Amino acid sequence: KNQVEQSPQSLIILEGKNCTLQCNYTVSPFSNLRWYKQDTGRGPVSLTIMTFSENTKSNGRYTATLDADTKQSSLHITASQLSDSASYICVVSDSNYQLIWGAGTKLIIKP
Amino acid sequence: KAGVTQTPRYLIKTRGQQVTLSCSPISGHRSVSWYQQTPGQGLQFLFEYFSETQRNKGNFPGRFSGRQFSNSRSEMNVSTLELGDSALYLCASSLYRGQDTEAFFGQGTRLTVV
Repeated sequence: KNQVEQSPQSLIILEGKNCTLQCNYTVSPFSNLRWYKQDTGRGPVSLTIMTFSENTKSNGRYTATLDADTKQSSLHITASQLSDSASYICVVSDSNYQLIWGAGTKLIIKP
Repeated sequence: KAGVTQTPRYLIKTRGQQVTLSCSPISGHRSVSWYQQTPGQGLQFLFEYFSETQRNKGNFPGRFSGRQFSNSRSEMNVSTLELGDSALYLCASSLYRGQDTEAFFGQGTRLTVV
């Protein structure tokens, strides 16, 4: 069964610190992996999209990595800011245009 | 360029009623997908429309239906509402159906069934 699992479920860090969120997937066939940021009560916003051949992709202070062999991805946030408080969702696309969504990691940045 | 617009933003309905939600995609986008999001759950895929045709459907009962118009605007309808249908309903639009195409989301419609 195609699944996307994220860890941790929630995370609290101090402003200015770095953090890494994890995503494991069992989607096959794999097309691409996306990370989204969702603020409370709003729609998700795309951070990165990575295909099979890409190992790393950055978007400002966000860096995503992908290991297609172990079917793992991570999202690293550098020098966190209060505005980074949100849910971060890992999404894997299969070749049938279906997006399989993880449950998300809720990140809280404390001043 | 205007983003994805969903209306209404909030809705309260009674069990047994039916509801219609609307989504206007970004101008030029032809693919529209609908998702249900409940607390603690990931987004659950409802269906995808492209060029007025349903291309993919998630695992939801027949009470959930949708359609897309020639201008790419889409509506979804839920009949015989149940308490468990209370959720944030999100619409996403994409330029086309390519596997790497980016999806842009609206603010969502918060449906509460009482």
